Amino acid sequence: GENVEQHPSTLSVQEGDSAVIKCTYSDSASNYFPWYKQELGKGPQLIIDIRSNVGEKKDQRIAVTLNKTAKHFSLHITETQPEDSAVYFCAASKGSYGKLTFGQGTILTVHP
Amino acid sequence: GAGVSQSPRYKVAKRGQDVALRCDPISGHVSLFWYQQALGQGPEFLTYFQNEAQLDKSGLPSDRFFAERPEGSVSTLKIQRTQQEDSAVYLCASSLIGGPSTDTQYFGPGTRLTVL
Repeated sequence: GENVEQHPSTLSVQEGDSAVIKCTYSDSASNYFPWYKQELGKGPQLIIDIRSNVGEKKDQRIAVTLNKTAKHFSLHITETQPEDSAVYFCAASKGSYGKLTFGQGTILTVHP
Repeated sequence: GAGVSQSPRYKVAKRGQDVALRCDPISGHVSLFWYQQALGQGPEFLTYFQNEAQLDKSGLPSDRFFAERPEGSVSTLKIQRTQQEDSAVYLCASSLIGGPSTDTQYFGPGTRLTVL
């Protein structure tokens, strides 16, 4: 089955710096790659996603890049703010119906 | 609008007890997923419903786990004879469309199950 590896497991940055989280996947048939943010005691919340027919997608301070050949995708957060502090998960799906396989998560801490 | 809701938010069970966890998906959403999230880990897929049909239960850890969605809306995840290794957060997610698609999944807040 699909396997998703996520790095780093923890990331600490100063407010205003950029943060990058990387994921690799094993199944070349995967075609949908969402990123979720999870705050303490809450469920995961989608922040951005990308499909296999595009290489990059941006939404304000957040961007995701996809390299299908290398089977990896990355989340980029610019101008980080303390409220960006949370656990971030990448995921992959090759859906016949969208079942997600998640990475292990990255704890992002943004210091004021 | 209302999101995915789950109840109870917290459940403590003694080993061997049965538990039932409820999920109310977003109204009109065809697809419903259950995931299990162990402490410090990413969610892991348990089972999938398209309307009332359970199309994939390959992630259920054992036959002690049972899920249903009889009317195609509310879903219940039941765990019989709970074990300590069942302690986790159980997440429910729903998406608007079913079938061959990769639609956005919206997650509920989860039920934290602790088995003593």
